[in-house]
Formats: sequence, C-alpha cells, structure tokens
Amino acid sequence: GAGVSQSPSNKVTEKGKDVELRCDPISGHTALYWYRQSLGQGLEFLIYFQGNSAPDKSGLPSDRFSAERTGGSVSTLTIQRTQQEDSAVYLCASGRSGSGETQYFGPGTRLLVL
Amino acid sequence: GNSVTQMEGPVTLSEEAFLTINCTYTATGYPSLFWYVQYPGEGLQLLLKATKADDKGSNKGFEATYRKETTSFHLEKGSVQVSDSAVYFCALKGGSEKLVFGKGTKLTVNP
Repeated sequence: GAGVSQSPSNKVTEKGKDVELRCDPISGHTALYWYRQSLGQGLEFLIYFQGNSAPDKSGLPSDRFSAERTGGSVSTLTIQRTQQEDSAVYLCASGRSGSGETQYFGPGTRLLVL
Repeated sequence: GNSVTQMEGPVTLSEEAFLTINCTYTATGYPSLFWYVQYPGEGLQLLLKATKADDKGSNKGFEATYRKETTSFHLEKGSVQVSDSAVYFCALKGGSEKLVFGKGTKLTVNP
C-alpha cells in the first residue's frame, strides 16, 4: 500500500520567510510524528499527534515552529521567520500508538534557508 | 532522560566480512529498541526491533538481541554485502511515544 508521503521534496527559501511542509500519513495510522535530521544534531523529535489528544510539542525548538493535523490525517509543519539553522531534512512518520509499534517514515523534505 | 549511544563510524568492510555496530541505551522502565537503516538517497526504514528483554530481532541477515543486563542492542551480520552500504541508526521508544535515536553509523562495504 501507499507509504507516508511528504511535500515538497525540496524547499529553498530566504531567511525570514515562512514555510509550510506537508505530510500525508499511511491510511488508518492514528499516530503522526515530525522529526528533524541535521548534520550537527542528528535525528531529533519535534512533535507527536495521537488521535484527538493534545499533541506532544516538547521537541519544538522555538515558538517559530508549529504544526497541526487536520481531520486526524494530513499534517502541516509551519516554520515562521526561517533562520539558517533551520536548514535540515524534516521527516514525518506515522504508526499505531504503543511502545512496541513501528513508526514508518516518509522520504522527507529537504529545507535550505539562504 | 532517555538516550542512545552508538558506535560512530564510518565503518568500512570488505564483502563477506562480519559486522558489529554497538549500541547502548539509557532509559527508565522497559523501552522498545529498534534499528533503522537509511540507504543512499532513500528514507529511513525499519530494519528490526525487539520489545522486551532477551528478544532477538532479525531481518535480511541482520540480528540484534535486547540485553537488559548490559543495556545493549548491538547489530550484527555474519557476511555483509555491497548492498548493505548505508547509515544505521539505533533507537529506543520509552515511556513517551517519541523515538530517541543514536547519531548513526555509516557503513561502506567494498567488493
């Protein structure tokens, strides 16, 4: 079946501009996660959505970052007033909740802030 | 907090060599443990997992055993192939739903 999809695959923006990154999870998966992969920091958790519960935002690095999940499916990660240190690959994953459950990752959006 | 420490690479081996990538963790409670792999130009894929102590995860000739006494989850393969060249990430999922990753180990297998 279809996996997790993300768009755009690449995004180049100027410092100070806002960007929106989209994630379409696997159908039926109630849990959705955003991670960031950068050379300096490795793979970092950003935010987690589970059903209709309040999201776990504990990994968001600043208040310039926000995310929403509409209708329990598609999610958008928004970065306002982008900075050069925001340059990274942003990964979305989906899965079923539970400690042993696998998270399935999308191909990522490569963001470059000039 | 929870953390994962894995052997830093890069690791370069010849085809058919034995592979070990060490991974140790710090966590409260009883986390689930995972190895993910990222092939060149591709996304992260689950390689194997173990959800309780003494479980062995295996896939594509790779194995890892969840050792609670040594808090380890080392990845092994008896005979690597060129196609195994990739970056390997050890990860855990503890009390919260998020995955905590190690920094990754880049493996290059030469023919």
